Formats: sequence, structure tokens, C-alpha cells
Amino acid sequence: QVQLQESGPGLVKPSQTLSLTCSVSGGSVDVGSYYWSWVRQPAGKGLEWLGRIYATGNTNYNPSLESRVTISVDTSKNQFSLKLSSVSAADTAVYFCAREAKWSDALDIWGLGAMVTVSS
Amino acid sequence: DIQMTQSPPSLSASVGDRITITCRASQSINRFLNWYQQKPGKAPKLLIYSASSLQSGVPSRFSGSGSGTDFTFTISSLQPEDFATYYCQQSYSSIFTFGPGTKVD
Repeated sequence: QVQLQESGPGLVKPSQTLSLTCSVSGGSVDVGSYYWSWVRQPAGKGLEWLGRIYATGNTNYNPSLESRVTISVDTSKNQFSLKLSSVSAADTAVYFCAREAKWSDALDIWGLGAMVTVSS
Repeated sequence: DIQMTQSPPSLSASVGDRITITCRASQSINRFLNWYQQKPGKAPKLLIYSASSLQSGVPSRFSGSGSGTDFTFTISSLQPEDFATYYCQQSYSSIFTFGPGTKVD
């Protein structure tokens, strides 16, 4: 059974870069049937899709964040990562990684989420 | 970007009630519409994909319908574990967008 687990610093200073990693177990990121996404949720608010990556490295990003977001994949470590630069308090949120199955075009498996606070 | 709206933003219901949530897209998205359930402190859970396909393991009291710009999500008989927030999400565009959510309490 595929499981996803986010990891990374829980506190980031303003203007710095937020970095999170999603480790995939029970399956491979190198399988062509899936995309790998990041979604975030500020406290008490809705879900915001940040972007996704395919095993080949092809990416799609939310245009509202595209200048600050980078998603990469490391097939040797079976994980994918999120970098968000020049963060501010508005980037404080729970960050989820998720798998998108190509046959359903839906996010069918999610990590538990990682809380990231931007504060000095 | 494709904008998604949901109504109502919240609804009060009782166990056994039939509830319906609507989702509207700002342009036609064919049937590329998914529904998720989220409980406090938990990750979202996929319930319905492609507008009406039930995700494996999801109870049959959940259903979805619609195409184009207008979609509905129905719980035929609300159970205690169904009190949660429900989100629609379009996957027609390579830039995904979620609806604002409907809280069922």
C-alpha cells in the first residue's frame, strides 16, 4: 500500500526558502502512471494546489506562485520535493503531498501533512 | 485559471438526511471533476472522481453527477462519520483548482 510522508522544517523565517520533502513508500515515484503534487491549506481555510511533477521531471505550477515554486523528483531516493522561495506569513499553512493517478486525474493518496510556520 | 464555486458554504443536517452540494466551474470542464472529504486535522480523502465514479472503498451512499459546468454531490443518508468539509476540484486543466468547500455540520 502506497504511503506518503512529508518532512522538513516546521519554522521558516520570512524571505527565506521553505523546503519540504515527500517520501514515498510501498510504491515508486518512477512509475509512469502517476503525477506527484503539493497542496497547502492555511489554518481554517480551503485547499490550494501548488503544482505537480511527473517522473520525467515535467512540471505544472499554480500561476499565482509560479515565480516562487520549484518541485523536483529524486527517483534514487523515491521522493519528491517542494521549494517555495521568498516566503512571508501568508505562506504559513499545512502542506500536503499527494499522488495523482493518471487514469482518474484525481489526488487519490495523500500524506498526513506538515505544518510550516513563517515567522522571525 | 478555471474558477470553482460551491454552494452552500455550509449546511446543517441530521443523521439520515439526504444532502446535496453543488459545484460550478467557470468554464466547461467536461467530467473532470473530483470530490473530497476532509475532517479536522486530517488530509483530504478522495470520494468521487470523473464526476460520478466512486473511489474504491468509498460507501455507496456517496454519489456525484453532472458535466460541463454544473455538478452535484449527494449523500443519500448522512451518517455520523460524514460530518466534514467537502471540496470539489477540477482536473480538466493542468492547473488544478479547488472549490471553497462546504462544511456539513
